[in-house]
Amino acid sequence: NAGVTQTPKFQVLKTGQSMTLQCAQDMNHNSMYWYRQDPGMGLRLIYYSASEGTTDKGEVPNGYNVSRLNKREFSLRLESAAPSQTSVYFCASSEKDRVEQYFGPGTRLTVT
Amino acid sequence: GENVEQHPSTLSVQEGDSAVIKCTYSDSASNYFPWYKQELGKGPQLIIDIRSNVGEKKDQRIAVTLNKTAKHFSLHITETQPEDSAVYFCAATLGTGGFKTIFGAGTRLFVKA
Repeated sequence: NAGVTQTPKFQVLKTGQSMTLQCAQDMNHNSMYWYRQDPGMGLRLIYYSASEGTTDKGEVPNGYNVSRLNKREFSLRLESAAPSQTSVYFCASSEKDRVEQYFGPGTRLTVT
Repeated sequence: GENVEQHPSTLSVQEGDSAVIKCTYSDSASNYFPWYKQELGKGPQLIIDIRSNVGEKKDQRIAVTLNKTAKHFSLHITETQPEDSAVYFCAATLGTGGFKTIFGAGTRLFVKA
């Protein structure tokens, strides 16, 4: 099993550009999450999907949209990137009603 | 809402010494406290966790303690090795489901050989 995979690993965008970060898990987990990690601030939840077909806002959703494409895949879209969105983005998944989360390797995004 | 404070932000120890990382949480209803290890260039990985009905849990060289009254929990690593060098995150979760997990800011641990 690959666990949680994320693409791309690195990305540089100019202000105003858009992009989609991809995440997939092969553990048959119901719940999936998107976090951003900034220096000195730990991990902050952007959006989550408790199950296929549902998505909800987390702590810092502004400027992002998500799509739960199917049980395996959960994508994060930046419609108009801003320098404040420079961060490392992690996708995670967990079993239904379980709190243990499994993280992907991350995407390092720089917006200039 | 829940807030988790983690100390220290950086910790340097000699190989073989012990390391202790401390966290406090604000919401007394939090009931699950995981610890994650993040190696350079990788995602966080769960290394140990404790639930609110347990005071201490050990797994080889790693232990976690929980003081519900004081709303403190700590990670203890004994006989540290260079491969323990990483960033460690504590977290507190309310109820079931990971979407109510709040993470601490992280501790960068250096183990000097």
